Amino acid sequence: QVQLQESGPGLVKPSQTLSLTCAVSGASISNGGFYSSWIRQRPGKGLEWVGHIHYSGNTYYSPSLKSRVTISMDASKNQFSLRLDSVTAADTAVYFCARDLGREIDYWGQGTLVTVSS
Amino acid sequence: DIQMTQSPSSLSASVGDRVTITCRASHSISSYLNWYQQKPGKAPKLLIYAASSLQSGVPSRFSGSGSGTDFTLTISSLQPEDFATYYCQQSYTIPITFGQGTRLDIK
Repeated sequence: QVQLQESGPGLVKPSQTLSLTCAVSGASISNGGFYSSWIRQRPGKGLEWVGHIHYSGNTYYSPSLKSRVTISMDASKNQFSLRLDSVTAADTAVYFCARDLGREIDYWGQGTLVTVSS
Repeated sequence: DIQMTQSPSSLSASVGDRVTITCRASHSISSYLNWYQQKPGKAPKLLIYAASSLQSGVPSRFSGSGSGTDFTLTISSLQPEDFATYYCQQSYTIPITFGQGTRLDIK
């Protein structure tokens, strides 16, 4: 059974950097043809794709966030990370990590709320 | 970006009803269309992938159809646990995009 678990600060100050990590169990992120993804959901809103990293190391980002986002992976720890720079209140959201098979997203973490506030 | 538009945005129905939710893509996406169910405070759950394939473990009352730009999710007989928000998602091209969601409430 594949499981994903997000971790990181729940509160970030404006203009600072949001950093989250997703620990994966039950599957290796460095094997197989899938993508390790980040998706967010602003309070009361719909789902927004942030980006993903392929097991080969290639990354793909939402054009609206591309200038501020970095997704990386640590195969030795079987985890991947999200970094979002220069955050504002508009980045307040529940952030989900997920496994994308390239056609569908089959496993999701429970999500973690990150609030941007001074 | 490919825009995904769901209709209706909200829907009230009763247990036992047959319900259909539609999703329209701004460009053809072949069958690269998935449906998810999300309950409050929970992560989305994959229901249907590749437009019409039922994810393992999902009840057979859920079905999907369509290709190109027009897709539907049908629940043949609503059960109490089906009241939730439903999202379509295209995986045809980057950026991946979702519909705005359809909230299904108890009438």
